[in-house]
Amino acid sequence: GQNIDQPTEMTATEGAIVQINCTYQTSGFNGLFWYQQHAGEAPTFLSYNVLDGLEEKGRFSSFLSRSKGYSYLLLKELQMKDSASYLCASRDSNYQLIWGAGTKLIIKP
Amino acid sequence: ETGVTQTPRHLVMGMTNKKSLKCEQHLGHNAMYWYKQSAKKPLELMFVYNFKEQTENNSVPSRFSPECPNSSHLFLHLHTLQPEDSALYLCASSQEDGSSYEQYFGPGTRLTVT
Repeated sequence: GQNIDQPTEMTATEGAIVQINCTYQTSGFNGLFWYQQHAGEAPTFLSYNVLDGLEEKGRFSSFLSRSKGYSYLLLKELQMKDSASYLCASRDSNYQLIWGAGTKLIIKP
Repeated sequence: ETGVTQTPRHLVMGMTNKKSLKCEQHLGHNAMYWYKQSAKKPLELMFVYNFKEQTENNSVPSRFSPECPNSSHLFLHLHTLQPEDSALYLCASSQEDGSSYEQYFGPGTRLTVT
């Protein structure tokens, strides 16, 4: 079957660094997505990886290892506004997104 | 503001009611999606429309009926729902021609079935 695993909740301190891990098993693979969702709001696109390696975009970076079925989202210089849920999704052979349940990130002062 | 709007934002309905959710995208995309989001569960894809044609129906009960009159508008018609259908219903759109890949989401309709 198809499955995405990510931690349910994480806590970090303002100004610190946090890494949110995601492992995936999908029928075929056409890219790994990360979305951010603040409470009561729409998910918004953060990053897309289709090749192995690290993609950096400001304070956020995303890593992919296709051989391990593994990705992580790295958030640096954490700010209070980064408190949100982070959704990992893998696109399968039919180009449909298979979603994880999301990781709720709590930032403490 | 993502360019995808949904109405209503909140809806409370009885199990015998009939209601419709509306989604409109202002991005010129050619694919639209309905998702169900329940607490602590992954997003569940319900329906996909590509160039106004329904291409996916992930075993959704017939009490949910989608309609896509054109590439900018998507509806979800609801009738005789069950309490377990209470959830956040999200609409999304994307451009499925290889030029981009991300989906843009609307703010959702919070549905409560009593």
